[in-house]
Amino acid sequence: KQEVTQIPAALSVPEGENLVLNCSFTDSAIYNLQWFRQDPGKGLTSLLLIQSSQREQTSGRLNASLDKSSGRSTLYIAASQPGDSATYLCAVPLSGGGADGLTFGKGTHLIIQP
Amino acid sequence: DAEITQSPRHKITETGRQVTLACHQTWNHNNMFWYRQDLGHGLRLIHYSYGVQDTNKGEVSDGYSVSRSNTEDLPLTLESAASSQTSVYFCASSGQGGNTGELFFGEGSRLTVL
Repeated sequence: KQEVTQIPAALSVPEGENLVLNCSFTDSAIYNLQWFRQDPGKGLTSLLLIQSSQREQTSGRLNASLDKSSGRSTLYIAASQPGDSATYLCAVPLSGGGADGLTFGKGTHLIIQP
Repeated sequence: DAEITQSPRHKITETGRQVTLACHQTWNHNNMFWYRQDLGHGLRLIHYSYGVQDTNKGEVSDGYSVSRSNTEDLPLTLESAASSQTSVYFCASSGQGGNTGELFFGEGSRLTVL
């Protein structure tokens, strides 16, 4: 059974810092990995989707890397801003091609201090 | 713009009552999912569907049912609500067959069972 772990569970940093969020998964035979953002009381917003053939994806100040062999992904946030405060979750397909849903980590709760 | 909408956003009900949460997407996605989110457990898959007339059980399907009569809608029914079903429920959809591709979420439905 696929399990996803995110470290740290919570992080509070001053504005402007570069930071790294970590995600690990137990079964390396994944088709893709997705990073989400969740604001309080809201749904999840997709940030980045990395296919298994890719090593990284970038969107603005966000960069996500994937190392399938070691079962790890990192989300790098450059020049953090208070608006980045949210919970960040990573997810991988439950099994096979993944059309049967995703397994989520419990998230990293991020606070960016002004 | 395409979107996924859930209703009601908030509901309070009593133990033993039947409750239906609606989910409607305009992405024309084949794959639709229902998750629940609880403190300490994260997001867990309840049911999912690959297309019209197709439904499948997820990790925590007991006490829940879904039906898929068209592409756009996947209502979630709690046959006899229990206090353990107090949670935030999220509907999601994705468009790529065989691979979840990018997953899009609704804003969530907060259900309280008294």
